Amino acid sequence: QKEVEQDPGPLSVPEGAIVSLNCTYSNSAFQYFMWYRQYSRKGPELLMYTYSSGNKEDGRFTAQVDKSSKYISLFIRDSQPSDSATYLCAMSDFGGYQKVTFGIGTKLQVIP
Amino acid sequence: DAGVIQSPRHEVTEMGQEVTLRCKPISGHDYLFWYRQTMMRGLELLIYFNNNVPIDDSGMPEDRFSAKMPNASFSTLKIQPSEPRDSAVYFCASSLGGGSGNQPQHFGDGTRLSIL
Repeated sequence: QKEVEQDPGPLSVPEGAIVSLNCTYSNSAFQYFMWYRQYSRKGPELLMYTYSSGNKEDGRFTAQVDKSSKYISLFIRDSQPSDSATYLCAMSDFGGYQKVTFGIGTKLQVIP
Repeated sequence: DAGVIQSPRHEVTEMGQEVTLRCKPISGHDYLFWYRQTMMRGLELLIYFNNNVPIDDSGMPEDRFSAKMPNASFSTLKIQPSEPRDSAVYFCASSLGGGSGNQPQHFGDGTRLSIL
């Protein structure tokens, strides 16, 4: 079993839809939870991160962490064609050097 | 500010040839990471450096792979001899601090490697 599980998709939605992207994990030591966005033929870039449990909102994006279920989510409201990308969840435990474990990524396409 | 710069962007070569990938991290960053990305396995950490010193190379698949960081602004990943199963996109990333949370890793745009 992988430490981080993520459905690779692809996920196709109409413009304006609410998108839900999810990951599960097995390592209870994970404390930092991140979402990276990767456009085609580009490197991943950090979209947002949360520490421990709870929600975090940034514009149209909301990240949720449920440590009791070992489940994290990223919601995108009013999705736009420019949101079409691969979204990778990533996690790390707390320490001097925090090795980051990435999910395989979910490919999202927002249809105009 | 310039981001992480990788070269070449694309490399096509024949099996058995030596391949050298290059990376210039963001100035001032003290961590440098090399990753490999494939559709089947996703993003895999190969090796990382802290202050130019290799710390963990446990992700390097075999002795055919080697990485160096001779100074704070340059790193190389070398594959010798190359094999078709090495075909992937190789990313370099750098960070100030551990590379997580509010000290995230910044990725280059990768080198797309094809071994024929």
